[in-house]
Amino acid sequence: SAVISQKPSRDICQRGTSLTIQCQVDSQVTMMFWYRQQPGQSLTLIATANQGSEATYESGFVIDKFPISRPNLTFSTLTVSNMSPEDSSIYLCSVEGRGLNTEAFFGQGTRLTVV
Amino acid sequence: AQTVTQSQPEMSVQEAETVTLSCTYDTSESDYYLFWYKQPPSRQMILVIRQEAYKQQNATENRFSVNFQKAAKSFSLKISDSQLGDAAMYFCAYRRGGWGTASKLTFGTGTRLQVTL
Repeated sequence: SAVISQKPSRDICQRGTSLTIQCQVDSQVTMMFWYRQQPGQSLTLIATANQGSEATYESGFVIDKFPISRPNLTFSTLTVSNMSPEDSSIYLCSVEGRGLNTEAFFGQGTRLTVV
Repeated sequence: AQTVTQSQPEMSVQEAETVTLSCTYDTSESDYYLFWYKQPPSRQMILVIRQEAYKQQNATENRFSVNFQKAAKSFSLKISDSQLGDAAMYFCAYRRGGWGTASKLTFGTGTRLQVTL
């Protein structure tokens, strides 16, 4: 299994500002995934963060809006830039189990409210 | 692209009864995994059950079982002897095959399950 610590758990931010979300894993993982869950909606992948290379973004998400850092095999950050009320969502980081374990483990999420 | 569809936005079941949540998916791949995740109000995503596409036998985890119909691309979740703690949002999810490299999940829109006394 993997234990993921995600910070902050929630925040209320002013529009036009930026928030950086941190994700710490208790074991080394090659890939980390960042998802967004808009109110009452499903989870949508924002990007995949590989250590040592640029993140790979899904359609509809761009690096300028959601810059990601991956400085080592246990840590990643997602920044939500120039926020607007439409960015109000839950943001979750996720990693996959090791070896044959395809189970995905999730952080507890960051509930972001933009006012 | 893979898609996952959950046609039941909300379901309700009485305590101790059985309920079935539906999920269909679309993929052109032959090797993949299917999951059911539970998300209670705490927001924590919890794996309920996993099914490998190459396995014909339906997965079972205690009170939870699936009906995996590969040809029909259907993957329903049956919860037996429902408990109040089962109340949550349930997401069906798809992952392409291959365990050497981690892969993203594609989620359905979710089914909110209510459990009543």
